Amino acid sequence: QSVLTQPPSASGTPGRRVTISCSGSGSNLGNHAVHWYQQVPGTAPKLLVHSNNQRPSGVTDRFSGSKSGTSASLAISGLQSEDEADYYCAAWDDILDAWLFGGGTKLTVL
Amino acid sequence: EVKLVESGGGLVQPGGSLRLSCLASGFTFSDYKMHWVRQAPGKGLEWISYISPTSSPILYADSVKGRFSISRDNAKSSLYLQMSSLRAEDTAVYFCVREVCDYPCYFDCWGQGTPVTVSS
Repeated sequence: QSVLTQPPSASGTPGRRVTISCSGSGSNLGNHAVHWYQQVPGTAPKLLVHSNNQRPSGVTDRFSGSKSGTSASLAISGLQSEDEADYYCAAWDDILDAWLFGGGTKLTVL
Repeated sequence: EVKLVESGGGLVQPGGSLRLSCLASGFTFSDYKMHWVRQAPGKGLEWISYISPTSSPILYADSVKGRFSISRDNAKSSLYLQMSSLRAEDTAVYFCVREVCDYPCYFDCWGQGTPVTVSS
């Protein structure tokens, strides 16, 4: 059971918008930024959104992040088949003195 | 181009030891905090260890504390993970990860991973 809680799965049809949630607590999301990673099975994770809502260069603006209190979300608009992947949130935790990852959300494009 | 290349993974018996290496290129290795993150088959990501640019401080996840040791050689742009008393639950792909600090800090670059299998 991860300290950062994500839904195990999400789905949507091409062109639609889907959101993935990440729920934590005061010692992690409450005090620190959340970051999001995309992982296509069999490959390394890739930074998608950092510092709650910042996209690295080269990441499409179809991906956007937000955070409020101890919850965060990743939104993907204009869903495309290439967006099928696993998505992880991550944050530092002050009490555990450790980096935490959410359990991951498998996104299926129907 | 920033690149992290892990090596050293393989099959090891329970109770055995293994040393993973990560060779960095395309950036000034000595300026960056580095981490190891692992992923068990079919499971999510698990952070396991951190090392500062000067090798102090060092942090470990509880799951590996006392059994794994992280180190680095800035002259060789290399990161290491010495793993001992290995258990079946240590079976995973191990990723070398760079942390960048724009304040906040985050993981911005990942290696391709090296697989470790602990089995008799």
